[in-house]
Order: sequence, then C-alpha cells, then structure tokens
Amino acid sequence: DIQMTQSPSSLSASVGDRVTITCQASQDISNYLNWYQQKPGKAPKLLIYDASNLETGVPSRFSGSGSGTDFTFTISSLQPEDIATYYCQQYDNLPMYTFGQGTKLEIK
Amino acid sequence: QLQLQESGPGLVKPSETLSLTCTVSGGSISSSSYYWGWIRQPPGKGLEWIGSIYYSGSTYYNPSLKSRVTISVDTSKNQFSLKLSSVTAADTAVYYCARPVAGWFDPWGQGTLVTVSS
Repeated sequence: DIQMTQSPSSLSASVGDRVTITCQASQDISNYLNWYQQKPGKAPKLLIYDASNLETGVPSRFSGSGSGTDFTFTISSLQPEDIATYYCQQYDNLPMYTFGQGTKLEIK
Repeated sequence: QLQLQESGPGLVKPSETLSLTCTVSGGSISSSSYYWGWIRQPPGKGLEWIGSIYYSGSTYYNPSLKSRVTISVDTSKNQFSLKLSSVTAADTAVYYCARPVAGWFDPWGQGTLVTVSS
C-alpha cells in the first residue's frame, strides 16, 4: 500500500503570509497527487490535480508542485477565507486511493 | 450540473449492517464510463477511501475494509449503495459519496453522519 505523510498536522499563520504544506509518498507516484480544501461541516473541494494543475475557478494564490515522492502545496498570500483543513490524495494505483492525514490551517 | 446526495439511517447498532444510498442527479449514472465511490471521515479525523464501483458493476474496495464492504449500483434508480457489516464504534463517521474522475473526486455529496451506538 502507498502511504502518504503530510506535514505539518497543524499550522498557524497570519493574513498575507506564504503558507507551505508538504506531502511525501512512500513510493514514486509520478505526478498522481491532488490537493483538497475542507472547511468545517463541508465536503472536501478539489483545488489542485496532477500535482500542479489548478482546478477551474480556484484562486491563483493556490499552487502545487513536485513529482515522484515529494510534493508541496502553497498559498502565496493567506486570506481569512483560506482557513480550512487541507488534504493530499494519491492515485498511482487506480482504482485505489490514499489520502494524507490532513493539515489544519489557522489564523494567527 | 451533476449532484450527489447521501441518504440512510443516522444511527446503527453495533454488530449490525450500515446501509447508505447515494442518489445521482443532473446526469445518468450509466451514461459515461465513470466510477462512483464512497469515502468516510471519523469525527475530527482524516479521509478514508472505502471503495468504488464502475457503472457496469465492477467493484474495488479498500483492503482494510474489504471483508465487510459491499458496493452496488442500481442504474434504474440512478443510485449506488454502500453496505458495511459488523459495525463497531470505530465505524462512526461522516460518509461521503463522490465521483472519481481521472484520479480525483469531484463532485462530492454533502455527507451524512452515521453513529454506531446501542
């Protein structure tokens, strides 16, 4: 099984800060990595697919990079509405999927 | 616009079977070569993929749940369903239905909380 290790598990930052979350796969997954945002009481929302592609309608302050085993999710300038939990998800061995443990982002 | 909606009991007794249905609207469950899936999230915890079903009926399950999970599809009702047997408190979670598309999930249902308790 492919394991996804996401860090940090929680993060506190100020409005306007650059925020970075990492996700590491237990084996090479090429670019088969997606990022979701989940706000309290809501279903997750796809932000980034295939490691670096921005989903339609998602603000450009969100970005993703990486390939192989190491991936990064970045918010270039944190906004109050970005407070949420963020998850990575791999799909190297379709049709099976694995999510990271999540990163809870809070405003400082 | 495709929409998914979960339905089913919010309370299940230990050792019994959890049963949920996902109704698809805004499109036919069998009109395209799509999978349909279930994901769960225990309170305060992360997301866990449960399994997926192809519109033709082929199924794929998370190995950690495979012995207890059955996913089925009813194309006449535009629905797919989840059954999880022998539930315990550890199965208490928000259960989401979602459509896997080329490796990611979109859209998602709103989720339904199922509590396992006597």
